[in-house]
Amino acid sequence: KAGVTQTPRYLIKTRGQQVTLSCSPISGHRSVSWYQQTPGQGLQFLFEYFSETQRNKGNFPGRFSGRQFSNSRSEMNVSTLELGDSALYLCASSRDTGGGELFFGEGSRLTVL
Amino acid sequence: AQRVTQPEKLLSVFKGAPVELKCNYSYSGSPELFWYVQYSRQRLQLLLRHISRESIKGFTADLNKGETSFHLKKPFAQEEDSAMYYCALSGYQGAQKLVFGQGTRLTINP
Repeated sequence: KAGVTQTPRYLIKTRGQQVTLSCSPISGHRSVSWYQQTPGQGLQFLFEYFSETQRNKGNFPGRFSGRQFSNSRSEMNVSTLELGDSALYLCASSRDTGGGELFFGEGSRLTVL
Repeated sequence: AQRVTQPEKLLSVFKGAPVELKCNYSYSGSPELFWYVQYSRQRLQLLLRHISRESIKGFTADLNKGETSFHLKKPFAQEEDSAMYYCALSGYQGAQKLVFGQGTRLTINP
């Protein structure tokens, strides 16, 4: 079956712009989480969604937001982009919450100029 | 606070030699520990989790609560084990919210 799909794979934005990243989980998976990966900070948890509800949120400013749709697809948005937002954004899905294996996408690489 | 420390950024061993990737954690409750691996040009994927207590690709990891460690071991390294390895912890809030270590890049020399 198809894996977690993230779009776009690469994008370049300038400071002050906003960006929306999309994630399609594995069919049947209802839980989606997002991570930011940078060389300095490593992998950091952004948020988790289950059944269209945000269950957990990481320690990121309010410029970072997300949502999940009824078909479990998820989007994350970053507004007023800063240079430090340049990163690889990874989406992961699992069948449900609490103890399951996470299946990661290939990521969306965002460069902010 | 939850924290995962992987003290070695880089680890290089010869094929056939034993390998141990270190992972120490900080968590006040009963954590769930994982090892994730990323092979070249592949996605991050689960290698093993302490609850399963199983050996995957010859790797094992034992949770030592006294030493707050979850080291990954393999008795005889193979070239295909070369990859980036991440130790991760999940607390009471569930497995989706993982705290990752910085990762160890393992290189197996022929």
